Amino acid sequence: GENVEQHPSTLSVQEGDSAVIKCTYSDSASNYFPWYKQELGKRPQLIIDIRSNVGEKKDQRIAVTLNKTAKHFSLHITETQPEDSAVYFCAAGGSNYKLTFGKGTLLTVNP
Amino acid sequence: NAGVTQTPKFQVLKTGQSMTLQCAQDMNHNSMYWYRQDPGMGLRLIYYSASEGTTDKGEVPNGYNVSRLNKREFSLRLESAAPSQTSVYFCASGRGTVGEQFFGPGTRLTVL
Repeated sequence: GENVEQHPSTLSVQEGDSAVIKCTYSDSASNYFPWYKQELGKRPQLIIDIRSNVGEKKDQRIAVTLNKTAKHFSLHITETQPEDSAVYFCAAGGSNYKLTFGKGTLLTVNP
Repeated sequence: NAGVTQTPKFQVLKTGQSMTLQCAQDMNHNSMYWYRQDPGMGLRLIYYSASEGTTDKGEVPNGYNVSRLNKREFSLRLESAAPSQTSVYFCASGRGTVGEQFFGPGTRLTVL
């Protein structure tokens, strides 16, 4: 089955800096790569996703890049703000209805 | 639209007790999922249902059973709870074979 590795497990940045979280996946059949944000005590919510026919996608301060050959994808957050502090999860999925999640990255943005 | 709802929000059980976690969605989604979330372990799939009338095992199905009651509802049952099942349980739903999954608010379960 699919295996998703996520790094780092914790990340601390100063407000205004950029943050990068990286994930690798094992199954070449995976073609959908979402990123979820989970605030403390809340449910995971999708913030951005990318499909395998696209190399990069941006939405305001967040962007995701995908390298299918190397089987890795990354989340980039620019101009970080304290409200970006949360746990971020990457995931990978194919045409089998399932998503496999990474173990999460705790991002702390210090004012 | 309420989205995905779960009951109860919190539950404390003694070892060996049974309980059912309820989940419902009003988005007319075909697929539904049950995950558990443990510290440092991410979200692990317990069972899923690709469509009404079908259920399949995920990564960690042992000790659980599920029922897809109809298109809206998907329940998770613990027949004989164990302390290792202490976790936060999330239900989710999705439209097609792969795509965004929408999560419920979660159930925090403690087994003593």
